Amino acid sequence: IAGITQAPTSQILAAGRRMTLRCTQDMRHNAMYWYRQDLGLGLRLIHYSNTAGTTGKGEVPDGYSVSRANTDDFPLTLASAVPSQTSVYFCASSTSGETGELFFGEGSRLTVL
Amino acid sequence: GQNIDQPTEMTATEGAIVQINCTYQTSGFNGLFWYQQHAGEAPTFLSYNVLDGLEEKGRFSSFLSRSKGYSYLLLKELQMKDSASYLCAVRDDDYKLSFGAGTTVTVRA
Repeated sequence: IAGITQAPTSQILAAGRRMTLRCTQDMRHNAMYWYRQDLGLGLRLIHYSNTAGTTGKGEVPDGYSVSRANTDDFPLTLASAVPSQTSVYFCASSTSGETGELFFGEGSRLTVL
Repeated sequence: GQNIDQPTEMTATEGAIVQINCTYQTSGFNGLFWYQQHAGEAPTFLSYNVLDGLEEKGRFSSFLSRSKGYSYLLLKELQMKDSASYLCAVRDDDYKLSFGAGTTVTVRA
């Protein structure tokens, strides 16, 4: 039973470098999301995708890009990392049922120096 | 925009009851969620309210008043394993979820 898999689990990155965080789900959920979690600020939505082929901007999209080529994969790219992007990143997916609760991956801890 | 407020920290004794309040002002409303997050782990779903009233699920209950923009999560018969952060989240009309900053509950013996 996999659910949502994120990679890498943890990464230290030099400022200015490009980085892609990978997210794969095997639940055939239509909607997928990327959040960042920072102390005192909670989870903030970066980008989302309601279905394969479509994406949208969340609350804090600047400096990040996403793609949704198929149902299962939703990678998040930092084109040129900056120290303020140091955070824990969570990928999530949701059902299309009545509740539509989010299922989260285990998170990717990113440190930008 | 979304504005979701909940207390930062709460402490309670094992076996006691704790109530975590959440107030919200959001553009559009399509349900309120509570998630539990243990330190270093991913959030996990606890409860969902879309209509006014109380939803009970074992030791946990969640209440919603849409007219007041208010919800609470009630944790009964507290156990040490309930020490965690509890996140209040509101879903908007576009089905996007916005989270409060979370309430850290510490259960003491």
